[in-house]
Amino acid sequence: AQKVTQAQTEISVVEKEDVTLDCVYETRDTTYYLFWYKQPPSGELVFLIRRNSFDEQNEISGRYSWNFQKSTSSFNFTITASQVVDSAVYFCALSEHSGANNLFFGTGTRLTVIP
Amino acid sequence: DADVTQTPRNRITKTGKRIMLECSQTKGHDRMYWYRQDPGLGLRLIYYSFDVKDINKGEISDGYSVSRQAQAKFSLSLESAIPNQTALYFCATSDPVAGAGELFFGEGSRLTVL
Repeated sequence: AQKVTQAQTEISVVEKEDVTLDCVYETRDTTYYLFWYKQPPSGELVFLIRRNSFDEQNEISGRYSWNFQKSTSSFNFTITASQVVDSAVYFCALSEHSGANNLFFGTGTRLTVIP
Repeated sequence: DADVTQTPRNRITKTGKRIMLECSQTKGHDRMYWYRQDPGLGLRLIYYSFDVKDINKGEISDGYSVSRQAQAKFSLSLESAIPNQTALYFCATSDPVAGAGELFFGEGSRLTVL
C-alpha cells in the first residue's frame, strides 16, 4: 500500500533563509510518480513538479529545488532565499502506476515566512 | 474562466440536508475526481471516474455519492449531511496519457454542516 509522510507539520523561517520540506514515501510499485503542490492562503492548489521513479536527477527551478533519493524513499523540496510569498501549505503526493495513477497526498507542511 | 469550475464555492447547511456540489471542466479530460481536505489530514480521495460509465470509490466514500452526467461534469452529493462532513472539497481532472497523475484542481468548495 502507498503512503506519503510529511513529518514537519509547520515550519517558520525568516525571509531570505533557506528551508527544506521533507517527504518520505512508501510504495511497492517500481513505476510511480511523485509530486509537490502548493496551497497558498487563497486556497487553490498549484502544481509545482512531477518526477517519475526512473529519473533520480535533482531538479532546480529558480529558487526551488527538489532532491529525489530512491535509496531513502525521499523527495525533499528546498526553497532558497525564502520570500513572504512562499508562505503556504505544501503537499507531497504519490501516484502508482498499478493504482490507476490516483494521487495520494501527504498531510502537508505549513510554511510561514516571516518578513 | 477557470478550466475546472466548482459550485457553490461556499455553503452552510444543516444536519440531515441533502447537498450537491457540482464540478465542470473545459480541459477535455476523461478522468475526474473528488477530494476532501481536512486540517492536518491532507487531501483524501472520495470518488473518481475514468469516463462517463466508470465510477469508483476512493478512500472515504461512505456518506457520499457521485454522478458523472457528461465528460465535463462530475457532481458530488451528500444525501444526509452530518457535521463531520464539514470540509473543503476539491474537484480535479487528469489526463493519464500526458499527465501521469498530475491533477488540475478546481478552486474548492467550502462546506459547513451545522
